[in-house]
Amino acid sequence: SAVISQKPSRDICQRGTSLTIQCQVDSQVTMMFWYRQQPGQSLTLIATANQGSEATYESGFVIDKFPISRPNLTFSTLTVSNMSPEDSSIYLCSVETSGSRETQYFGPGTRLLVL
Amino acid sequence: GENVEQHPSTLSVQEGDSAVIKCTYSDSASNYFPWYKQELGKRPQLIIDIRSNVGEKKDQRIAVTLNKTAKHFSLHITETQPEDSAVYFCAAPGGSYIPTFGRGTSLIVHP
Repeated sequence: SAVISQKPSRDICQRGTSLTIQCQVDSQVTMMFWYRQQPGQSLTLIATANQGSEATYESGFVIDKFPISRPNLTFSTLTVSNMSPEDSSIYLCSVETSGSRETQYFGPGTRLLVL
Repeated sequence: GENVEQHPSTLSVQEGDSAVIKCTYSDSASNYFPWYKQELGKRPQLIIDIRSNVGEKKDQRIAVTLNKTAKHFSLHITETQPEDSAVYFCAAPGGSYIPTFGRGTSLIVHP
């Protein structure tokens, strides 16, 4: 397994501003993922982040809105840009470990409220 | 891509009863089927998984069964307890290793 932390744990933001969420893992991992979970809903993959390459975005998500950085094998950031109330959600990072490539280990999440 | 359907969306049982949650998937290339439990305000956590070379796997009070021909798999919880109350998600990876999640089942266990 992996120990994953996220910052901030929660935030309240004004519309039109941007928030950067950090994800830190206690071991080196190849793949990191960013998910959105709207209240009472399932987990929707935003993008996959590989170290040293551009993130791969899922349908409906674009880099201008959700820029991602992956500077090394233990860290990634997701920025939610030009926020609107519709961006209010929980954002989770996750990783896969070399021992079990298909199993996702999730961070604690960042609860975002946009006013 | 993979399409995962999960039923029911809500399941209410009395403590001690059994609970069954079912998922179907569309991509025959899927070969790994995890179940995640998400308690209120917490992160999803893997509770059990099964690979396509086995039909059933048990871990104490929870079990998962897989029918690859019919493309469905189920989570079984026996002797339910109030601490089993949570949202449960199934997932399937399709042709990739990135899972597609079901919509989730809110399990409520009444004392």
